[in-house]
Amino acid sequence: VQLVESGGGLVQPGKSLKLSCSASGFTFNSYGMHWIRQAPGKGLDWVAYISSSSGTVYADAVKGRFTISRDNAKNTLYLQLNSLKSEDTAIYYCARIGGDYWGQGVMVTVSS
Amino acid sequence: DVVLTQTPPTLSATIGQSVSISCRSSQSLLDCDGDTCLNWLLQRPGQSPQLLIYSVSNLESGVPNRFSGSGSETDFTLKISGVEAEDLGVYYCMQATHAPLTFGSGTKLEIK
Repeated sequence: VQLVESGGGLVQPGKSLKLSCSASGFTFNSYGMHWIRQAPGKGLDWVAYISSSSGTVYADAVKGRFTISRDNAKNTLYLQLNSLKSEDTAIYYCARIGGDYWGQGVMVTVSS
Repeated sequence: DVVLTQTPPTLSATIGQSVSISCRSSQSLLDCDGDTCLNWLLQRPGQSPQLLIYSVSNLESGVPNRFSGSGSETDFTLKISGVEAEDLGVYYCMQATHAPLTFGSGTKLEIK
């Protein structure tokens, strides 16, 4: 099993970014997936979840700004980040449901 | 949301010493499709979290058997029987019984 995130970077407040998580080694379309973030020097915070049937749930802090989606044909999970704030600065991890596999993470820095 | 209270926040141990970490939940974590969805993760410095223990007491494949988990409903414990140098890092408990996914605040294990 491998999860590889991409798409991070430095972005100004109010701007957008789209993260990707490429999955391999398992039947992607059978599993729900999470995005979890970790601010610098802090603990783990759940961001969003998408079920195998594409039902979605969001943390209150990102509801209305972030959108989780998946493309089962491409074995890829996405997180669209809009209206970014400085407090969204973090390493973003994708993880399989249950937390048994995590990606290496991708850094998102929101700063002017 | 379920609050997981982890103690102690830091642990300092010598090689070979046995240590325990406590995780207390604000709600019972029973009734997760007939299971108790309480996992333990280790985040080594500069790495993403990795699963050590799932469903309270089940050792993830490849994890040394010096790690063990116990507990039920709201009180859970991770024990390391004979700390080794590679065990340093931050340990998190994580629950997936109740949405949203939540994490303990972490316990940093230092090697003396």
